[in-house]
Amino acid sequence: GAGVSQSPSNKVTEKGKDVELRCDPISGHTALYWYRQSLGQGLEFLIYFQGNSAPDKSGLPSDRFSAERTGGSVSTLTIQRTQQEDSAVYLCASSLGLGDYEQYFGPGTRLTVT
Amino acid sequence: GNSVTQMEGPVTLSEEAFLTINCTYTATGYPSLFWYVQYPGEGLQLLLKATKADDKGSNKGFEATYRKETTSFHLEKGSVQVSDSAVYFCALSERYGGATNKLIFGTGTLLAVQP
Repeated sequence: GAGVSQSPSNKVTEKGKDVELRCDPISGHTALYWYRQSLGQGLEFLIYFQGNSAPDKSGLPSDRFSAERTGGSVSTLTIQRTQQEDSAVYLCASSLGLGDYEQYFGPGTRLTVT
Repeated sequence: GNSVTQMEGPVTLSEEAFLTINCTYTATGYPSLFWYVQYPGEGLQLLLKATKADDKGSNKGFEATYRKETTSFHLEKGSVQVSDSAVYFCALSERYGGATNKLIFGTGTLLAVQP
């Protein structure tokens, strides 16, 4: 079946612009996670959803970052007023639920802020 | 807070050599432990996991044992192949409200296997 998909695969934007990154989880997966992979910080957790609720937003770096999930499916990560330090690969993962279920990762969106 | 420390890379080995990638963790409670692998040009994939002390995870010839006394989860393989060349990430899952959720990753170790 289809895996986790993310779009766009690459995004180049100018400093100060807003960007939206999209994640389509595996059908039926109720839990959805966003991570960021950057040279300086490695792989770091941003936020996760159970259904449409986000119980843990502790990893969002600043209030410029927000995320939502609708219909228990697609999620959008929005970065406002992008900065150069936001350049990274943004990874989305989904799992059947919370607990010891495997998290399946998407291919990521490479964001470059110029 | 919780954290994962893994050995710096790159690790360069000849085909059929023995592999060890060290991983230690700091955690409150009883996390689950994972090894993820990222092959060139591909996404992160789960390689193996262990959910409690003394459990051994294994897959594709790789093994790791959850050692609570040494807070370690070292990855081993008896005979590596060129196709094992990838970046390997050790990770633990935190628990929130009694359920595991977010993963805390180590920095990753690049393995390069030469023919």
